[in-house]
Parts: sequence; C-alpha cells; structure tokens
Amino acid sequence: AQSVTQLDSQVPVFEEAPVELRCNYSSSVSVYLFWYVQYPNQGLQLLLKYLSGSTLVKGINGFEAEFNKSQTSFHLRKPSVHISDTAEYFCAVSEQGGGNKLTFGTGTQLKVEL
Amino acid sequence: DSGVTQTPKHLITATGQRVTLRCSPRSGDLSVYWYQQSLDQGLQFLIQYYNGEERAKGNILERFSAQQFPDLHSELNLSSLELGDSALYFCASSAVGLQETQYFGPGTRLLVL
Repeated sequence: AQSVTQLDSQVPVFEEAPVELRCNYSSSVSVYLFWYVQYPNQGLQLLLKYLSGSTLVKGINGFEAEFNKSQTSFHLRKPSVHISDTAEYFCAVSEQGGGNKLTFGTGTQLKVEL
Repeated sequence: DSGVTQTPKHLITATGQRVTLRCSPRSGDLSVYWYQQSLDQGLQFLIQYYNGEERAKGNILERFSAQQFPDLHSELNLSSLELGDSALYFCASSAVGLQETQYFGPGTRLLVL
C-alpha cells in the first residue's frame, strides 16, 4: 500500500519570500502524484499533478513541483508567495493500475505573513 | 466553483442516528468518490462509484454505505452514528480516463453529539 509523508505541519513565511513544501511517498509500484490546496471552509482544489514525462510540473497560481523518483519526493515550490496563498496544502498519490483513489498526506498549513 | 454540489452543508445529529449526505457530480462526470476528513484520521478515501457501480473501496466502516443513482448523483448513508464520526465529508467527481482530475465539492460538515 502507498503512503504519503508531509513532514512539516506548519510553514510560516513572509510575503514575497520563496517557499518549499515537502512531500515524500512510499509505494511498491509506480505512482501518480498530486498537490491540492484547501482554503478555509472550502473543498480541495488541484494545484498540479504528475502523471509522466517531464519531472518539473507547473501548476496554477505560480506553483511548481519536481518529481524525484530516486528520493521518492514531490516537493512543492513557489518563488514568491502572496498573502492569498495562506491555506492548507495536501500531497496525494495514486498507484498506477490501482484505480483513481487518492491517498493523502496529513497536510501542511502555509501561513503567509506581512 | 468546482461544479460538484453537496447537501446539506452542515448536519448536527445525535449518537445512534442515521443521516444521508448527497452529492451531485459535475455535468458529464461518471465517477464519484467519497472522502472523510477528520482531525485524527486526516483525509481518507471511503468509496468510489463509476456509472452506478461500486469501483473501489477504502477505509469505509460497515455502518456506512453509498450508492450512485441513474442520474449519477450519489448518496452516502451513515448509520448508528458515533461521536468519532464527526468529520467533514467530501464528494469528488471525475471524467472517464486515466487519472482524470478529481474535482471536490465544498463538503458536508457532520457533528455528532
């Protein structure tokens, strides 16, 4: 079975600073990888996904992530954050050939301060 | 707005009761997924339906059941409710295809007293 680890439960950062949210996964088979964002009192919204091809994936709102198979990581980055990026971010995986069900990490709360 | 609707938005009930949560997928989406988000368990996959048929099952309790109707809306039934069932229940839908994006609804917040 697959699992996802988000080591940082909270990440405080000043506005316009860069940020990296870490995600590591474990699986015995190849996986697809996702980052979702959850704003307060809302559902989850897809930021980006890696299915195959280029390991650098660009998403919405200026976010990008890099798939590193050897380190089983899929870290999310943004070069300059904005107050509106304050939200909870979830990394998720699904196993290739295992249907579409998503296994989520525990989430990272990104708090952008002035 | 993801196009996925869920009703009700909030639900308060007592232990031992039964409730039904409803989900309408995005127009054209055949797959519906249910997830539970709680403080102690995080976000967990419960069950998936595809065009009326159960496709995959996750950590869904025997007290919980779901179905997808011919018009593709889905209902999640929770019975013999316990305090620990208090959580946010999300529905998501996706189109047919390999790893199509799952679009999440706003969720139903269930409080069991």
